Amino acid sequence: GAGVSQTPSNKVTEKGKYVELRCDPISGHTALYWYRQSLGQGPEFLIYFQGTGAADDSGLPNDRFFAVRPEGSVSTLKIQRTERGDSAVYLCASSLPGQGMNEQFFGPGTRLTVL
Amino acid sequence: GEDVEQSLFLSVREGDSSVINCTYTDSSSTYLYWYKQEPGAGLQLLTYIFSNMDMKQDQRLTVLLNKKDKHLSLRIADTQTGDSAIYFCAESSHTDKLIFGTGTRLQVFP
Repeated sequence: GAGVSQTPSNKVTEKGKYVELRCDPISGHTALYWYRQSLGQGPEFLIYFQGTGAADDSGLPNDRFFAVRPEGSVSTLKIQRTERGDSAVYLCASSLPGQGMNEQFFGPGTRLTVL
Repeated sequence: GEDVEQSLFLSVREGDSSVINCTYTDSSSTYLYWYKQEPGAGLQLLTYIFSNMDMKQDQRLTVLLNKKDKHLSLRIADTQTGDSAIYFCAESSHTDKLIFGTGTRLQVFP
């Protein structure tokens, strides 16, 4: 079946521009997560949605970062006034929480390069 | 805050066992995980262990958890060249967000 998909796969932008990154979770998965992976590092948590609402946004680095999930399915991560330090791979994951371990299924990521 | 540490690099000969180690700081961790990341591929969950267990075996993979020392290890038996990848240790508590280590690059040579 279809896994988590992310678009675009690569995005090159200039410093100061606005970007949107999209995540399509696995159908039926109610939980959706965004992570950021810088070169040579492990993924770093950004935000977690349960349904339409952000259950935990403690990982967003500053107010230039914002994410939405208006219908409880597709999510968009929005970055305003991009900086070179925002360059990273942005990973999305989805899961179906229930009893026990909550396996997160990861997408292939969007590689963002800010020039 | 929570922190997960791993050694950066491990090199083993094909057919030998690999042991990748991880330490974490969050005493409220509920589950601990091992993920595999290959070039051009997404993160793949290899195995996980519940925090009240001390060992889990899954085919060639053995996970050992020392909760007192907050130490987790992954042993891969009969390591193959296809096991070459970056391995991430991760932990989660009640919030479900994953806290990842920096990753260990495993290189398997013939």
